[in-house]
Amino acid sequence: QSALTQPASVSGSPGQSITISCTGTSSDVGGYKYVSWYQQHPGKAPKLMIYEVSNRPSGVPDRFSGSKSGNTASLTISGLQAEDEADYYCSSYTSSSTRVFGGGTKVTVL
Amino acid sequence: QVQLVESGGGLVKPGGSLRLSCAASGFTFSDYYMSWIRQAPGKGLEWVSYISSGDTTIYYADSVKGRFTISRDNAKNSLYLQMNSLRAEDTAVYYCARGRFTSGVWGQGTTVTVSS
Repeated sequence: QSALTQPASVSGSPGQSITISCTGTSSDVGGYKYVSWYQQHPGKAPKLMIYEVSNRPSGVPDRFSGSKSGNTASLTISGLQAEDEADYYCSSYTSSSTRVFGGGTKVTVL
Repeated sequence: QVQLVESGGGLVKPGGSLRLSCAASGFTFSDYYMSWIRQAPGKGLEWVSYISSGDTTIYYADSVKGRFTISRDNAKNSLYLQMNSLRAEDTAVYYCARGRFTSGVWGQGTTVTVSS
């Protein structure tokens, strides 16, 4: 199972909006609603930010939103803040009943 | 509060074995699928395996199939990962996580280093 494709890095100034893409195939991202996004700060465990494409767990700011079109899912951070600087990973369920992660995107707040 | 605590990591020689444990608390462990996810040094997340609540459904990543075995003891609120025939590329932080499709709760991770 090949990893989902994410940009290695994305940057933005405070207050701006950024979008991270996550590209897979019809056998994973395009075929299921089970796409999730995780935030990971250095030395910490990942934290769930978005589940089932566009749902936010309790406690996650509404600045974070998710969407999907075809085989590509996206995470948008609106009103970028300094504490949003972290690595972000997407994940999808697959047709093989397994899961696959993206390679990760480093978000830098300028 | 909901918590997962991994243990059992350490330094092991190539070809060796190790058993990881994950102790769950703060939720009804027997109601949930559980997963193992790992992260090699400086690398991204890699899904390893998941097990259903009643351990009737189990899946593994191709990279560990035939070498790793996931199991659980609902009476002890514990998840396990038996790792055999370890290779250098298995060196990683191993996380225990709640869920199959989505990992909403994560442990702090336990480090496995495979080196001679």
